[in-house]
Amino acid sequence: SQQGEEDPQALSIQEGENATMNCSYKTSINNLQWYRQNSGRGLVHLILIRSNEREKHSGRLRVTLDTSKKSSSLLITASRAADTASYFCATGIQGAQKLVFGQGTRLTINP
Amino acid sequence: NAGVTQTPKFRVLKTGQSMTLLCAQDMNHEYMYWYRQDPGMGLRLIHYSVGEGTTAKGEVPDGYNVSRLKKQNFLLGLESAAPSQTSVYFCASRSYLGTGNGLYEQYFGPGTRLTVT
Repeated sequence: SQQGEEDPQALSIQEGENATMNCSYKTSINNLQWYRQNSGRGLVHLILIRSNEREKHSGRLRVTLDTSKKSSSLLITASRAADTASYFCATGIQGAQKLVFGQGTRLTINP
Repeated sequence: NAGVTQTPKFRVLKTGQSMTLLCAQDMNHEYMYWYRQDPGMGLRLIHYSVGEGTTAKGEVPDGYNVSRLKKQNFLLGLESAAPSQTSVYFCASRSYLGTGNGLYEQYFGPGTRLTVT
């Protein structure tokens, strides 16, 4: 079974609004990462947050991690049409050689 | 620096036919991965390799074989294609950062869309 589960599965907002996506996972992790996938393309790494970090920023992206609740959120502020994509969380576990990806949230930004 | 490339981009096979998907990376990465992506299923790991000459099974390895004869290439083979293997296949690679602490990002190829009729 997959480690991470994103919520919601799909999100549609107006340009300029903020978008929040959530990821829940099951086992203890070493880090959690977010990736973006534009339609018909491969995944692109956005941001990595370590298990001992609670919040991280990168441009318009803000990621939080709550290890006690086994959950993370990705906030995209001031959304743009170019942010339309699917967003995946992936978890890294100590000693593991592979990431485990969730099912993704499909984000649509309406002009 | 092309990153991760995949060949071919599209392919249609008949049931029972065989084919090989090629993944190449020019970043000198140790680790390489093959995933399949199906609607509503996210990414599922098929096989992976932690170095030249080594391979390991992932989450959904049945019906697939892989080889890593050269560090920069990772081949995914379908010996007898089935309609259930209709999917988009992604290759990814990453560098080796010492212990398996997961503190790395993966670089993905553009994908191969395979249809088996």
